Amino acid sequence: DIQMTQSPSTLSASVGDRVTITCRASQSIGTWLAWYQKKAEKAPQLLIYKASSLQSGVPSRFSGSGSGTEFTLTLSSLQPDDLATYYCQQYNSYPWTFGQGTKVEIK
Amino acid sequence: EVQLLDSGGGLVQPGGSLRLSCAASGFPFSSYAMGWVRQAPGKGLEWVSDISNSGGATYYGGSVKGRFTVSRDNSKNMLYLQMNSLRAEDTAVYYCATRSGGKPLDYWGQGTLVTVSS
Repeated sequence: DIQMTQSPSTLSASVGDRVTITCRASQSIGTWLAWYQKKAEKAPQLLIYKASSLQSGVPSRFSGSGSGTEFTLTLSSLQPDDLATYYCQQYNSYPWTFGQGTKVEIK
Repeated sequence: EVQLLDSGGGLVQPGGSLRLSCAASGFPFSSYAMGWVRQAPGKGLEWVSDISNSGGATYYGGSVKGRFTVSRDNSKNMLYLQMNSLRAEDTAVYYCATRSGGKPLDYWGQGTLVTVSS
């Protein structure tokens, strides 16, 4: 199985800060990578697919980049509504796998 | 508007069975692959299963393979997850989700809680 490792596990930032989350795959997955936002008591929301494609309706402050084994999710200007846990997921090959999550806190 | 309604969760004893359902509307169900993802209390997201639009191809995560079976009824716009030999570690909120246009899991149900306990 492909292992997905996110860093950091938790981050604390101020409103307006630029925030970057990293996801590493244990083997190359091309650009078959997605990012999800998970808020407490709510269903996950797809933010980014194919490593850098923004899902319809997602604010443009979210962006993704990378290929192969290294990927990043960037929030250009952190907003209070961004309080959540973010997960990367590879869908290059079955079984699909998620990273362990990055919890974003607002200072 | 895409709508997914998960149901069928509840309390079940270890070794028991449960069938989850996902009622879909607002999109051409028979054209979309579908999937299941779960989140155990205090844990991260775990991919569970995937099924092609026709139902002819199914895939499972290692922790559920051989115990869970995904199926669909395209005539009823319904997705199912039959869960057998349930264990305490299967306790989680289970979400169904669509896979449209080659994307991964883009629209999600609200989730249904499964608790495995004696």
